[in-house]
Amino acid sequence: DAGVIQSPRHEVTEMGQEVTLRCKPISGHNSLFWYRQTMMRGLELLIYFNNNVPIDDSGMPEDRFSAKMPNASFSTLKIQPSEPRDSAVYFCASSLAWDKNTEAFFGQGTRLTVV
Amino acid sequence: SQKIEQNSEALNIQEGKTATLTCNYTNYSPAYLQWYRQDPGRGPVFLLLIRENEKEKRKERLKVTFDTTLKQSLFHITASQPADSATYLCALTNYGQNFVFGPGTRLSVLP
Repeated sequence: DAGVIQSPRHEVTEMGQEVTLRCKPISGHNSLFWYRQTMMRGLELLIYFNNNVPIDDSGMPEDRFSAKMPNASFSTLKIQPSEPRDSAVYFCASSLAWDKNTEAFFGQGTRLTVV
Repeated sequence: SQKIEQNSEALNIQEGKTATLTCNYTNYSPAYLQWYRQDPGRGPVFLLLIRENEKEKRKERLKVTFDTTLKQSLFHITASQPADSATYLCALTNYGQNFVFGPGTRLSVLP
């Protein structure tokens, strides 16, 4: 398996624009996580899904953020409208069976810059 | 609220020595504690997992301890090498609940 695949790797956008980040989890993994990483706040959990269903989105910072998982092999994180303070590295991770506390496999991340 | 602290933001040690990293937590009762390594520009990579009923776990040059009374985990790298230089993150997990990471410790192993 190629691992967790995220796209794009880098995204530069202007304030106010819509941004969509994409993630393909490892095949067969039931749980998917979206994280945001900054120097100031470290690695923050935004939302996670189990069997394509959102379980906890309490980490989503504002209504400008939304995440979907239409099927087991694809998830998106959308920011609309984007703001400079959203600049960060966004990671997607998947896990075989989250309720059994297996480890998480991370993608390479998307570095988002909002100017 | 849940809080995780790692002993220091950065740790420098000489090659060949043992590196010891600390993870302390409050307001949480994790079933598992995990350690990850993160290199610049990359996502975290899983290293070790230890369960709440385990005191110690080893893997090659790595050793993890877990003290649920002290609410602390220690992560040891023996015979450290410059290639061990990276940021190390601890993560607390519980069955089906939030997967929370600590702020990380940046380890530099000097030749």
